[in-house]
Amino acid sequence: ILNVEQSPQSLHVQEGDSTNFTCSFPSSNFYALHWYRWETAKSPEALFVMTLNGDEKKKGRISATLNTKEGYSYLYIKGSQPEDSATYLCASSDTSGTYKYIFGTGTRLKVLA
Amino acid sequence: KAGVTQTPRYLIKTRGQQVTLSCSPISGHRSVSWYQQTPGQGLQFLFEYFSETQRNKGNFPGRFSGRQFSNSRSEMNVSTLELGDSALYLCASTVGQTTYEQYFGPGTRLTVT
Repeated sequence: ILNVEQSPQSLHVQEGDSTNFTCSFPSSNFYALHWYRWETAKSPEALFVMTLNGDEKKKGRISATLNTKEGYSYLYIKGSQPEDSATYLCASSDTSGTYKYIFGTGTRLKVLA
Repeated sequence: KAGVTQTPRYLIKTRGQQVTLSCSPISGHRSVSWYQQTPGQGLQFLFEYFSETQRNKGNFPGRFSGRQFSNSRSEMNVSTLELGDSALYLCASTVGQTTYEQYFGPGTRLTVT
């Protein structure tokens, strides 16, 4: 059974600050790692899908890295803006072919203007 | 391209009743997954359907069931509702494998009184 953990649970940063969160997942039988952004009253929005060790993905000011050997992924936000305020979720799937994702409980980010 | 739609958006039921929720995936997506979110919990996987077949099921009691139609639309049914079933129910669609992005619907907020 996969256990995906995210830290911190929540954080407040000032506008313009850069920040990062961690997603930890079991490294055995790893298949894919997903990051989502979930704004209040909206649907979770896919940010990145990563599958290979050492993967780095970037979308605007947001980037993510993946280390499958040690079982962690980092999400970075450069120059945080108030519109970045959201809950960031990660989800992992394994190679068992079960076609399901195990989600972490998320990191709630509040960017203060 | 239309996104994932879910109906109804809000629902209030009483204990013991049953409820059916509907999810229409993005056109061309054949996989639909269902998730439950309760306060303080991450997204809990309920089940996943692909081409009308349930490929995987999470750790939920048999009161939770689902099905998928030939047009990929999916329904989820909960029988004999309990207070603890009050939650946000999200569905997500993807083309098939877990290496592809999932696209989430807006969710159905179910309240059981």
